[in-house]
Amino acid sequence: GAGVSQSPSNKVTEKGKDVELRCDPISGHTALYWYRQSLGQGLEFLIYFQGNSAPDKSGLPSDRFSAERTGGSVSTLTIQRTQQEDSAVYLCASSFSGPSAQETQYFGPGTRLLVL
Amino acid sequence: GQQLNQSPQSMFIQEGEDVSMNCTSSSIFNTWLWYKQEPGEGPVLLIALYKAGELTSNGRLTAQFGITRKDSFLNISASIPSDVGIYFCAGWTSSNTGKLIFGQGTTLQVKP
Repeated sequence: GAGVSQSPSNKVTEKGKDVELRCDPISGHTALYWYRQSLGQGLEFLIYFQGNSAPDKSGLPSDRFSAERTGGSVSTLTIQRTQQEDSAVYLCASSFSGPSAQETQYFGPGTRLLVL
Repeated sequence: GQQLNQSPQSMFIQEGEDVSMNCTSSSIFNTWLWYKQEPGEGPVLLIALYKAGELTSNGRLTAQFGITRKDSFLNISASIPSDVGIYFCAGWTSSNTGKLIFGQGTTLQVKP
């Protein structure tokens, strides 16, 4: 597609339920990133993929968070047993290669997650 | 961990006014980036700075990479209503392998 797409755009769930967030990167981009943006805050790095591998998972807040990428394309971020503090906008980005300072990251519109 | 302190947190200005925002850090960054995020959208890269002292313009936007490599500013001249949004600074450090470090954002509102 022309840009990074994410689904769903909005998700409301009950505390304790699992959620899956999907990211479709720009076609041909090998690197994919997940960020979390809490209200009034900057973006917090969660994880990135180079191909299907995740060299850096250090940003995942807890073991309730996991992510995978298949076929070097689509990625899914899963949050198990959601908590209210998980409420945030989850942003996905992709870059042609990298990550590096010379590689522009293109962001999707995000998934707004609200945990009641 | 590494942090970027961005100020001001928000600005409400009159159309036509100039705007200035900045980011500082206690750590050295090798690259500074400035992004703009509009409501319901992801951030979009505005300007990238790669060398200490570098001054770069993109239309009405001007950004500088501080000499100490610990700060950067973004200026917007002659603001217009479509400048409304959240502006983020972000940086890469020499030890960075995949993480962009983001500032907290500056929310800009422009009154026509």
